Amino acid sequence: GESVGLHLPTLSVQEGDNSIINCAYSNSASDYFIWYKQESGKGPQFIIDIRSNMDKRQGQRVTVLLNKTVKHLSLQIAATQPGDSAVYFCAESTYGGGTASKLTFGTGTRLQVTL
Amino acid sequence: EPEVTQTPSHQVTQMGQEVILRCVPISNHLYFYWYRQILGQKVEFLVSFYNNEISEKSEIFDDQFSVERPDGSNFTLKIRSTKLEDSAMYFCASSLVETQYFGPGTRLLVL
Repeated sequence: GESVGLHLPTLSVQEGDNSIINCAYSNSASDYFIWYKQESGKGPQFIIDIRSNMDKRQGQRVTVLLNKTVKHLSLQIAATQPGDSAVYFCAESTYGGGTASKLTFGTGTRLQVTL
Repeated sequence: EPEVTQTPSHQVTQMGQEVILRCVPISNHLYFYWYRQILGQKVEFLVSFYNNEISEKSEIFDDQFSVERPDGSNFTLKIRSTKLEDSAMYFCASSLVETQYFGPGTRLLVL
């Protein structure tokens, strides 16, 4: 059978507001981080990534911030839209270069956008 | 835009039966992965594959599991004798370098 699911933290925001989703990672040796969006019944969808030699990276409506001192990652979504409603996962990796590096996923945060 | 595809989308099987989950990675990608997600839980790494051999595997990936790249396009995950606890979503992913792109998943239900 299937296990009982974890209780996901939920962030509720109004449409048009900015969203900030936080993630604490565990491995101080991790040097590559990635945010995924997962809608119900679908696979993780790439949003944005960042290497450990950076502390900020911007995409379209999204920004990732990395604080290696406290092992913290955040995803900022500007002008949140109803289509942004999903579960957001951070993932970390120790990318060695030239090898297939596993991703270790966080627990996830559910983003609910209200009209 | 190229994407990872997986078949079947749903698979129901009896405990003890063998299942093969299929994936077509993005065509120019070099690294291939399988992950699973038990309902409501986080995504867990199973195995990575590069240059026709396993690069890394997790504790979950025991002798009941195997992977294969039988031709230039497919990447398969075989579970030899399924157990109830194998019920999960199984995701294939591929990457050219470090950014992994995921397929839509196969929901496996073991009865």
